[in-house]
Amino acid sequence: QQQVKQSPQSLIVQKGGISIINCAYENTAFDYFPWYQQFPGKGPALLIAIRPDVSEKKEGRFTISFNKSAKQFSLHIMDSQPGDSATYFCAARDAAYNQGGKLIFGQGTELSVKP
Amino acid sequence: ETGVTQTPRHLVMGMTNKKSLKCEQHLGHNAMYWYKQSAKKPLELMFVYNFKEQTENNSVPSRFSPECPNSSHLFLHLHTLQPEDSALYLCASSRDAYSNQPQHFGDGTRLSIL
Repeated sequence: QQQVKQSPQSLIVQKGGISIINCAYENTAFDYFPWYQQFPGKGPALLIAIRPDVSEKKEGRFTISFNKSAKQFSLHIMDSQPGDSATYFCAARDAAYNQGGKLIFGQGTELSVKP
Repeated sequence: ETGVTQTPRHLVMGMTNKKSLKCEQHLGHNAMYWYKQSAKKPLELMFVYNFKEQTENNSVPSRFSPECPNSSHLFLHLHTLQPEDSALYLCASSRDAYSNQPQHFGDGTRLSIL
């Protein structure tokens, strides 16, 4: 119930290609779905986030697609660049009051964009 | 610069040592968090403080002891750690623990237990 399953574990994309990372969840109490980007030696940084009443959110080259009925959401990186090479984490917030707004993270995807 | 500063960046300690990790945030936030990040595993939430009150202890062994003297500072006191405790320890803060406000992370302390 508390898990967020993320795939793939690693991804290699050519420069200019589209990177797609998928996440799935079971808990219907999740109400907020952020994506974090982490570079080596750095902490995760919020990239983009979506709420379940929206099916898509776009910020620049980054788009979240959200399918509430399937309990799945994905990150699309258009025109991928070598500077996008990082580890990406999806997460979900448990809105149940006794969970204290806990964020549940996926396992992470190591993205490598080849020049 | 994320506004969340963690010290030290690296720490090597023996199993019998006592040490502390420090986190300071300059964002005016009221919630602070400790996470453990191990290779190939999801970030694990350890502790949550909201307005200086501990609201979450995610079944963390007692060899980890948090302290939050004010909304800007968070400590993690360590004693008699085990080799499996070697990991990256991340501190984060947010406006408060119950709203959909993003968590801002520090760059972590890389802890190695000999």
